[in-house]
Amino acid sequence: DAGVIQSPRHEVTEMGQEVTLRCKPISGHDYLFWYRQTMMRGLELLIYFNNNVPIDDSGMPEDRFSAKMPNASFSTLKIQPSEPRDSAVYFCASTIAGAGNEQFFGPGTRLTVL
Amino acid sequence: DAKTTQPPSMDCAEGRAANLPCNHSTISGNEYVYWYRQIHSQGPQYIIHGLKNNETNEMASLIITEDRKSSTLILPHATLRDTAVYYCIVRAIQGAQKLVFGQGTRLTINP
Repeated sequence: DAGVIQSPRHEVTEMGQEVTLRCKPISGHDYLFWYRQTMMRGLELLIYFNNNVPIDDSGMPEDRFSAKMPNASFSTLKIQPSEPRDSAVYFCASTIAGAGNEQFFGPGTRLTVL
Repeated sequence: DAKTTQPPSMDCAEGRAANLPCNHSTISGNEYVYWYRQIHSQGPQYIIHGLKNNETNEMASLIITEDRKSSTLILPHATLRDTAVYYCIVRAIQGAQKLVFGQGTRLTINP
C-alpha cells in the first residue's frame, strides 16, 4: 500500500484566498484524522471521521475551516478565507478500529498564507 | 485521556541505549500508553504501545512500572536516524480513537 497520500505537499497562497487540502487514507481504514502543527501550538487534532461521518470537530478553529469525507477513500480540509495565522503543516492520518491500532500519518501539507 | 509529562530534550551517544521517560500518574485502568516519534519534516510514526506488561518490537522496548504511573521507552542501540521528537500518549482502550499530542522529548543522537 502507498500509505496515506496528501496533496499538495506545499501550498503558498495569499490572505483571503480559498485553500483546499486533500487526503487519501489507507485502503480499508475506517478512521481519518486531520491534524495541524505549528511551533506555538504543537500537533493538534482538528477533526476526525469514522466511516465517513465526522465524529469530533471540536478542534476546528473557526467557521473558516471545514472538512468533508464524501467517500472512504477521500477527504478534504478547506479554509475559506485563509489568513496568515493558518500557516502550518497539516497532517492527515488514518487507522482501523481496534483497541491498540496505530495511526498512519501522511507526509503533510505545508501551508503558507502571505 | 490522562496527561503525560516528558523532559523537553535529551541527548544520547550513537550506539548507546536511549532511555526516554514519561510520567502519566493519572492514568486509569482502561488506558494504553502509546509512543510515537516525529523525524524532522515528516509525519509522526508509531513506535510501540502497551497496557501493563513490558513490550518489545523491532524498534524499541517499552517498560511500564507496576503502578502504571510512568513508563520508559528504550531504543537499545541508538543511531543518528533516531534523532526525533518522541511523544508519549495515553489513550483509552475503548471509545474515541483520537490521540492527544503533548510537546514530547526532542532526542538528539550524537556521533
